[in-house]
Amino acid sequence: AQSVAQPEDQVNVAEGNPLTVKCTYSVSGNPYLFWYVQYPNRGLQFLLKYITGDNLVKGSYGFEAEFNKSQTSFHLKKPSALVSDSALYFCAVRDIATAGNKLTFGGGTRVLVKP
Amino acid sequence: DADVTQTPRNRITKTGKRIMLECSQTKGHDRMYWYRQDPGLGLRLIYYSFDVKDINKGEISDGYSVSRQAQAKFSLSLESAIPNQTALYFCATSLGRDTQYFGPGTRLTVL
Repeated sequence: AQSVAQPEDQVNVAEGNPLTVKCTYSVSGNPYLFWYVQYPNRGLQFLLKYITGDNLVKGSYGFEAEFNKSQTSFHLKKPSALVSDSALYFCAVRDIATAGNKLTFGGGTRVLVKP
Repeated sequence: DADVTQTPRNRITKTGKRIMLECSQTKGHDRMYWYRQDPGLGLRLIYYSFDVKDINKGEISDGYSVSRQAQAKFSLSLESAIPNQTALYFCATSLGRDTQYFGPGTRLTVL
């Protein structure tokens, strides 16, 4: 079975400060990991993914995420947050060995960036 | 993502009514998915389809059915809607096992 945990329901950060959204996962094999963002009244937009290779993955809108196998984590980061980054963020995992392409999502973390 | 469209965007219905949500894509992807989103629970997979002839249940398929009318179209039906099916529904597509891309969602309210 595969699972994802996003331990924070909400993250508050001042504009210009670093932003981190935490994600830990559990899979029986090797993971494919994803971050999506949902803006109000919009669908989920793909931000970035880790498949293999470099543990630091760079994605859209200046976001990056670091894969840490020993800590089973895939935290999303942005060096300098913008007010427009305020949204709902989802981490998702797929076990490479899983038949099909079934993603398991975390419960989401709401990010609020204050001016 | 404009390449994946969902209709309707909002729907209010009554308990016991049959309702269909539709998804269309112009991305040329072979795989399509239906998820529902509930606050604090993230997205949960209802059904997924590898191609027109291959449809599979997800983790919460009870009370739902689907139809893959063509490679580009995937519909979700609630045969007899109940209030706990009130949720935000998303369609997604992927090319094989690659990244999934989501539609804008349908907000369904069952009274």
